[in-house]
Amino acid sequence: SQQGEEDPQALSIQEGENATMNCSYKTSINNLQWYRQNSGRGLVHLILIRSNEREKHSGRLRVTLDTSKKSSSLLITASRAADTASYFCATVLVGSNAGNMLTFGGGTRLMVKP
Amino acid sequence: DGGITQSPKYLFRKEGQNVTLSCEQNLNHDAMYWYRQDPGQGLRLIYYSQIVNDFQKGDIAEGYSVSREKKESFPLTVTSAQKNPTAFYLCASKKGRSSYNEQFFGPGTRLTVL
Repeated sequence: SQQGEEDPQALSIQEGENATMNCSYKTSINNLQWYRQNSGRGLVHLILIRSNEREKHSGRLRVTLDTSKKSSSLLITASRAADTASYFCATVLVGSNAGNMLTFGGGTRLMVKP
Repeated sequence: DGGITQSPKYLFRKEGQNVTLSCEQNLNHDAMYWYRQDPGQGLRLIYYSQIVNDFQKGDIAEGYSVSREKKESFPLTVTSAQKNPTAFYLCASKKGRSSYNEQFFGPGTRLTVL
């Protein structure tokens, strides 16, 4: 079963606009990670936020985490056509000793139009 | 160059055949993972290994088998028992056992059953 669910499933914006993607999960987590996937390629790690953190920044990326609502958001500011990709949230559960396995959501497909 | 390689990039299989997907990493990572991705979906964990000669089932291990005879290599065999093997297969590796370490992904193998 998938722990995380992204919203929206698809997002289309113009270059320069901001893109916000949301992720909800069901059970308590150790940390939450965001990954990016270009079409037909492997995933690339973007950012990790720990359960005791509320916000984290990396370049044009801003991630927030609300453990009371079991949700996270990824904001990409000043988007570029090269940001076109699928974005996935993945969680590591509390007490996970199963290889600290990641449980992925279904992803948000972002299209940035030039 | 350090990284994870997967081969082949595309693989075609006749029904009833077993096929083996290769995954090699030169990152000196301890943990390795196999995921399956169906169109428009997130990743689901098939098997993982935290140490040589040891591996564990993930969420969808039925019809698959793995081995971990060397730290660098984690091949996945898709057996004829796998009812619907057509999918995109991704291999990943991670340093150490910390849940705060990111996973690094290979470029994937697209398997099609004819």
